[in-house]
Amino acid sequence: DAKTTQPTSMDCAEGRAANLPCNHSTISGNEYVYWYRQIHSQGPQYIIHGLKNNETNEMASLIITEDRKSSTLILPHATLRDTAVYYCIVRVPWTGTASKLTFGTGTRLQVTL
Amino acid sequence: NAGVTQTPKFRVLKTGQSMTLLCAQDMNHEYMYWYRQDPGMGLRLIHYSVGEGTTAKGEVPDGYNVSRLKKQNFLLGLESAAPSQTSVYFCASSGTSGMGEQYFGPGTRLTVT
Repeated sequence: DAKTTQPTSMDCAEGRAANLPCNHSTISGNEYVYWYRQIHSQGPQYIIHGLKNNETNEMASLIITEDRKSSTLILPHATLRDTAVYYCIVRVPWTGTASKLTFGTGTRLQVTL
Repeated sequence: NAGVTQTPKFRVLKTGQSMTLLCAQDMNHEYMYWYRQDPGMGLRLIHYSVGEGTTAKGEVPDGYNVSRLKKQNFLLGLESAAPSQTSVYFCASSGTSGMGEQYFGPGTRLTVT
């Protein structure tokens, strides 16, 4: 799985968009970008994934650059409940055995009033 | 659906004692995983299973054993607990459809004294 680099922490005002960057310059052509988050003391929660096109769901949007070397997770209207650690993970969905995830240390997003 | 559940939620063990952590999922998922998370770190994969009756080692398997006798259950055992196994343990599952997104349980906080 490709290595990712994320900022250690970020702040965002409530109601504003939170833009979380991730660098994955060694990503391979068949690797997808996944985002998970972990709210304090809870299990990680899947947010979104994408290959090369921008993706949007009810939780967030994922913007992947054309060269696929970086991506941005966007929470359009951050709330206090979005305060969490956000993990960017790059991997091939299926390896023939199991879809293992490799978690780094992520970005701690603090949403403030 | 309850999703992924874990029992117990908390446990304190003395060095050398044994215990079993139970993970159950009601989503009919083929794959199940056990992770551990130490303070300030990301999750690390201990063991995983690609189906009933099968198990495999992850990145930190030493000191742990697992069993998958039923598709919906995945057990993690500590035969002789050590202080280094003090951690929060998360179970996850994923299906064979979709893109391998994993669904996590709420975690078990284990302290070994």
